[in-house]
Amino acid sequence: AQSVTQLGSHVSVSEGALVLLRCNYSSSVPPYLFWYVQYPNQGLQLLLKYTTGATLVKGINGFEAEFKKSETSFHLTKPSAHMSDAAEYFCAVSDRGYSTLTFGKGTMLLVSP
Amino acid sequence: GAVVSQHPSWVICKSGTSVKIECRSLDFQATTMFWYRQFPKQSLMLMATSNEGSKATYEQGVEKDKFLINHASLTLSTLTVTSAHPEDSSFYICSARDPRAGGTEQFFGPGTRLTVL
Repeated sequence: AQSVTQLGSHVSVSEGALVLLRCNYSSSVPPYLFWYVQYPNQGLQLLLKYTTGATLVKGINGFEAEFKKSETSFHLTKPSAHMSDAAEYFCAVSDRGYSTLTFGKGTMLLVSP
Repeated sequence: GAVVSQHPSWVICKSGTSVKIECRSLDFQATTMFWYRQFPKQSLMLMATSNEGSKATYEQGVEKDKFLINHASLTLSTLTVTSAHPEDSSFYICSARDPRAGGTEQFFGPGTRLTVL
């Protein structure tokens, strides 16, 4: 069975500071990995995904994540936080192929001026 | 990119009534759609996988008779909450796979806020 652990239910940063949201997974097979963002009362928007190939993945809005197999991690980073980045972020994993997504519990990113 | 819509965006109903939520893929055909439930400040819990032309596959613990799912066409899946009660109040989100994108990614609808009085 797959599982996803997101460390920290809340992360607070100042505008312009580095954003680091942590995600660790467990999977019996090499997984597909995803980061989604959710704004209040809205659905989820895909930030980026890793399926195969380059382990450093670049996404929208300046976010990127690196797949580290040895650490079973897929941490999300952004060099400089913007106020508009304040939202809930979910890490998710699926088996290779047409399988379901397993989500982490989410991390709320708070950005202060 | 692929667009998924949901209707209604919010609904308030009385206890004991049934509510239908629609999920549509607007610019692609989705053979598989998913229904999730999200409680306040919590993660998404998969309720069921909806396959066009066949019965939905429900996750363990989800009542099939209470949450009726129909996937009658390649662009529409519906979730009907039957005999709704206050504990069914939640945020319901659907998603769909776009085969044009290799099927590895799910595209999410904007969600439906259900409040049962």
